[in-house]
Amino acid sequence: GNSVTQMEGPVTLSEEAFLTINCTYTATGYPSLFWYVQYPGEGLQLLLKATKADDKGSNKGFEATYRKETTSFHLEKGSVQVSDSAVYFCALSAGGSNYKLTFGKGTLLTVNP
Amino acid sequence: NAGVTQTPKFRVLKTGQSMTLLCAQDMNHEYMYWYRQDPGMGLRLIHYSVGEGTTAKGEVPDGYNVSRLKKQNFLLGLESAAPSQTSVYFCASSYEVGDADTDTQYFGPGTRLTVL
Repeated sequence: GNSVTQMEGPVTLSEEAFLTINCTYTATGYPSLFWYVQYPGEGLQLLLKATKADDKGSNKGFEATYRKETTSFHLEKGSVQVSDSAVYFCALSAGGSNYKLTFGKGTLLTVNP
Repeated sequence: NAGVTQTPKFRVLKTGQSMTLLCAQDMNHEYMYWYRQDPGMGLRLIHYSVGEGTTAKGEVPDGYNVSRLKKQNFLLGLESAAPSQTSVYFCASSYEVGDADTDTQYFGPGTRLTVL
């Protein structure tokens, strides 16, 4: 079956530090890949997505590249802010008739001033 | 557009009580989903619907029932609540016919349920 593995948290960084959150996946076919973000007390919001190999998703300074050869979709940001403190979820959609998402367990990021 | 809304935001139940969580979306989406979120477990799919009048089981359906009588609403029911159902419940929706983006899901703000 499909699965997503993302790095264990929590991750604590100082403001302006570089961020990487690793995500690898197992899926048949050609899934779409997502990063969702959950701010404290809120629901999940789509951060970025990529639908095919070598695509780069980007939003709010975050980037992730769909690497089929390594089955990875690592999230990066060059300079994090306190406002980036949240839980980040990697997910995949294997398509088909219902577009279900398979989520990783989430990584808590805390950015200190 | 309100997007995806959930009612109620918080609820405390006693073991054995029943309740219904309501999810509504105004994006004309075909698909709707119920997830539960537990610490260290990520999100797990409870039930989903691919259209009005249809429902299907997800990863953890036991103890829950759902109904989708109207396209915009998706109800999650707990017939006899148990402490193991203490969780945060999220509803999501996706896929408007004719839209090229078929698999991005949009989430509600969640319902925090405690079963004593």
